[in-house]
Amino acid sequence: DGGITQSPKYLFRKEGQNVTLSCEQNLNHDAMYWYRQDPGQGLRLIYYSQIVNDFQKGDIAEGYSVSREKKESFPLTVTSAQKNPTAFYLCASSEWTAYEQYFGPGTRLTVT
Amino acid sequence: ELKVEQNPLFLSMQEGKNYTIYCNYSTTSDRLYWYRQDPGKSLESLFVLLSNGAVKQEGRLMASLDTKARLSTLHITAAVHDLSATYFCAVDPTQGGSEKLVFGKGTKLTVNP
Repeated sequence: DGGITQSPKYLFRKEGQNVTLSCEQNLNHDAMYWYRQDPGQGLRLIYYSQIVNDFQKGDIAEGYSVSREKKESFPLTVTSAQKNPTAFYLCASSEWTAYEQYFGPGTRLTVT
Repeated sequence: ELKVEQNPLFLSMQEGKNYTIYCNYSTTSDRLYWYRQDPGKSLESLFVLLSNGAVKQEGRLMASLDTKARLSTLHITAAVHDLSATYFCAVDPTQGGSEKLVFGKGTKLTVNP
């Protein structure tokens, strides 16, 4: 079955630690995205990548970093510089950036 | 820059009633997507509207696209509790010169018995 996987589903970290969220897709999509969602809020774009070894900042990139070394994978690192990292993180992919996006199940990160 | 506005942002309705959610956008586009998000879950695709006048229906939900008015509607017929969710529209911005989908803020629908 084609799809997007994110792991882990729940993640707990202490303040000051970096943490990496995994996102893998087997849809052969070129574009991948990371969004943040806070309770009761909409989606905010963190980073997106149109092609391997290239990525662009979204609206709220500060305190986050990404890599795109393989087409299938787009991991997100939440660094200690991110002031309020507790949120629901969604990864998505699409054939191209303007096309329909398919979402993974999400990772709920709690930092205390 | 493409802006996407959904209204209402919150909608509380009774079972059995009809209602419409609106998605307005600010620049030319002929591709629009609707998604559903259940509480605590991810987004799932509902409808893909790819041309002016496109209409799609699934159960009690019907979506349409009017590219001239820059408007899509999501109509709910005889609402049931299972439709309670947040609904997002997303607009393809390429005709306006941008490169990635722009999402509305979402409409949180609550259907009461």
